Amino acid sequence: EEQLAESGGGLVQPGGSLRLSCAASGFTFSNYAMTWVRQAPGKGLEWVSGIGGGGDSTYYGDTVKGRFTVSRDNSKNTLYLQMNSLRAEDTAVYYCAKASRYSFGAFDIWGQGTVVTVSS
Amino acid sequence: EIVLTQSPGTLSLSPGERATLSCRASQSVSGNYFAWYQQKPGQAPRLLISATSSRATGIPDRFSGSGSGTDFTLTISRLEPEDFAVYYCQQYGNLWTFGPGTKVEIK
Repeated sequence: EEQLAESGGGLVQPGGSLRLSCAASGFTFSNYAMTWVRQAPGKGLEWVSGIGGGGDSTYYGDTVKGRFTVSRDNSKNTLYLQMNSLRAEDTAVYYCAKASRYSFGAFDIWGQGTVVTVSS
Repeated sequence: EIVLTQSPGTLSLSPGERATLSCRASQSVSGNYFAWYQQKPGQAPRLLISATSSRATGIPDRFSGSGSGTDFTLTISRLEPEDFAVYYCQQYGNLWTFGPGTKVEIK
């Protein structure tokens, strides 16, 4: 069974950093692009970042560009999101999602999400 | 960036009724790479439709997608109690963008 499991969320002060992880199982991880999507409390879905199957192509939404860095370790079947210079508006549930193709695609598998709270 | 607009914001219907959800893109979606997701409270989103009209694995045939260019539609032919949820459209022809969502609520 294809599964994703996020970890690393928590409470952090404004200006702080946090690193999220997403462990994948049940599929050939390196064959698919992976993404991060977030959802602020009571709000809709916002695409945050994506990375191609090989890890050489990375993409970011405008609200996180320059502050967040996506990476992957295909030997460990794990996706990461390094979040720096965090702001209150980054508070959200962060989901990792598998894309249906190597470089793009719809999000066919989702994790259960990890909560990030940015507050003093 | 492609901006997606969904209408209506809320749809109030009874079980057994037909639901028609619309999504409009600010520019033409490349390759008709368009998807729909369902999200229930406290759960992760679930893929319903990809490539405009292809149902994801395990999705019942009462869900159907259509459209092209900038206008796309999700139709639920007969609402079941478990279908009351929030629905998001997404384009993935130029990076990824989600619409703001349509809430389908029980009338």
